[in-house]
Amino acid sequence: KNQVEQSPQSLIILEGKNCTLQCNYTVSPFSNLRWYKQDTGRGPVSLTIMTFSENTKSNGRYTATLDADTKQSSLHITASQLSDSASYICVVSDRGSTLGRLYFGRGTQLTVWP
Amino acid sequence: EADIYQTPRYLVIGTGKKITLECSQTMGHDKMYWYQQDPGMELHLIHYSYGVNSTEKGDLSSESTVSRIRTEHFPLTLESARPSHTSQYLCASSESRGTDTDTQYFGPGTRLTVL
Repeated sequence: KNQVEQSPQSLIILEGKNCTLQCNYTVSPFSNLRWYKQDTGRGPVSLTIMTFSENTKSNGRYTATLDADTKQSSLHITASQLSDSASYICVVSDRGSTLGRLYFGRGTQLTVWP
Repeated sequence: EADIYQTPRYLVIGTGKKITLECSQTMGHDKMYWYQQDPGMELHLIHYSYGVNSTEKGDLSSESTVSRIRTEHFPLTLESARPSHTSQYLCASSESRGTDTDTQYFGPGTRLTVL
């Protein structure tokens, strides 16, 4: 069964600290993996996308890594800010589907305290 | 910031009412989607469209219906709302470049509560 599991479910850190969010997936075949940020009451916004051949992608203070062999990805946030408080969603797309079938994780709820 | 809009943002209605959730995008995207999301849970695809006059049901069974008469507009209708329809509904769109790396741009969502 194609699944995307994220950990931890929730995380609280102090402003200025770094953190790493994890994503494990069983989706096969694999096309790409995206990380989205979803603020409370808003729609998700894309942070990064990685295909099979990419193992790291950065977007400002956000750095995503991908290990396609172990089917794991991580999102590292550097020097956290209060505005980083949000849910971070891992989304995996399978290959071969005209729709690019997306499998969503439940997200990690990150809270940054001052 | 993506140019995709949803109205209303919040809606509280009684059981049995007919409602339409509006979604519009100004990016000229051919593909549009409707997702349902409950708190702390993953997004579930309920409808999608590849273009005008094209609509398909998604993975999650839904009693809602959609239409795509214009490229920019993808409304979702519930003929008779029930408390089980209480959820957040997210609309998204993406380009049609024919690759699986097309990014979906999401609207702000409609929070629906059925009493």
